[in-house]
Amino acid sequence: QKEVEQDPGPLSVPEGAIVSLNCTYSNSAFQYFMWYRQYSRKGPELLMYTYSSGNKEDGRFTAQVDKSSKYISLFIRDSQPSDSATYLCAIQSGYGQNFVFGPGTRLSVLP
Amino acid sequence: GAGVSQTPSNKVTEKGKYVELRCDPISGHTALYWYRQSLGQGPEFLIYFQGTGAADDSGLPNDRFFAVRPEGSVSTLKIQRTERGDSAVYLCASSLSPDNEQFFGPGTRLTVL
Repeated sequence: QKEVEQDPGPLSVPEGAIVSLNCTYSNSAFQYFMWYRQYSRKGPELLMYTYSSGNKEDGRFTAQVDKSSKYISLFIRDSQPSDSATYLCAIQSGYGQNFVFGPGTRLSVLP
Repeated sequence: GAGVSQTPSNKVTEKGKYVELRCDPISGHTALYWYRQSLGQGPEFLIYFQGTGAADDSGLPNDRFFAVRPEGSVSTLKIQRTERGDSAVYLCASSLSPDNEQFFGPGTRLTVL
C-alpha cells in the first residue's frame, strides 16, 4: 500500500461547481497536512496547511482532516477555469521531516 | 522578490553522461530540498539541506546521485552515468526553516536518450 493515495482523475466540472478532492494515507504518525496546486510546467504552490483534525477555510478553499480515518479533503467552492490544475496532497510526519506527496488529481473547470 | 530559480529549464543528454542541475533558493532560506517528479506522479523527495549540510539524503535512489550546497545558498544536484529511467522533472524548493512553507522552483526537465 502506498503511503499516500489520491484519485488521479482527470476530474472535469462546470464553472461554479463545488469540487471535492481527497487523499488517504496509511501512516498514523503523519501530523502535518498540505494541499498544493501545480499548473502545467510549473512548480507546486502551497494552498492550505493544517496540523489538526477539523476544517480550515481560506476564501473559496476549505481543507478538512480526519486523522481517525486517515483521510484529508480539499473543497473548492464556486470553481473557476483558473482553478484548472493538478492538486497534490502532501503529508509530513514531523518537524524537519520530508514531505510525502500523493500522485495528484488533475482538475479541469470548464467555462 | 525573486522566487526559487532552477537552471537549465530543460536538459537533454545521452545515456551514460554526467549532468548537473542548479538551484538558486530564495535569499535567506536556510532549508533547501530536491524532489524528482515523474509524469503523472507527485514529487518524490530526494535530499534536504539545512544550511550547508545534508540533513536527510534518504531519498537519493543510488550512489549515482549526489548533491552539494557548499555555501549554504546555491545547490547543485549531480547525476553520474545517467540512465533513461532518470528522465523526470527535478524540482527544488526552499524554506526559511524546516517547519515553514516550501517554495518550489519551476523545475528542470531532464531527458535521457
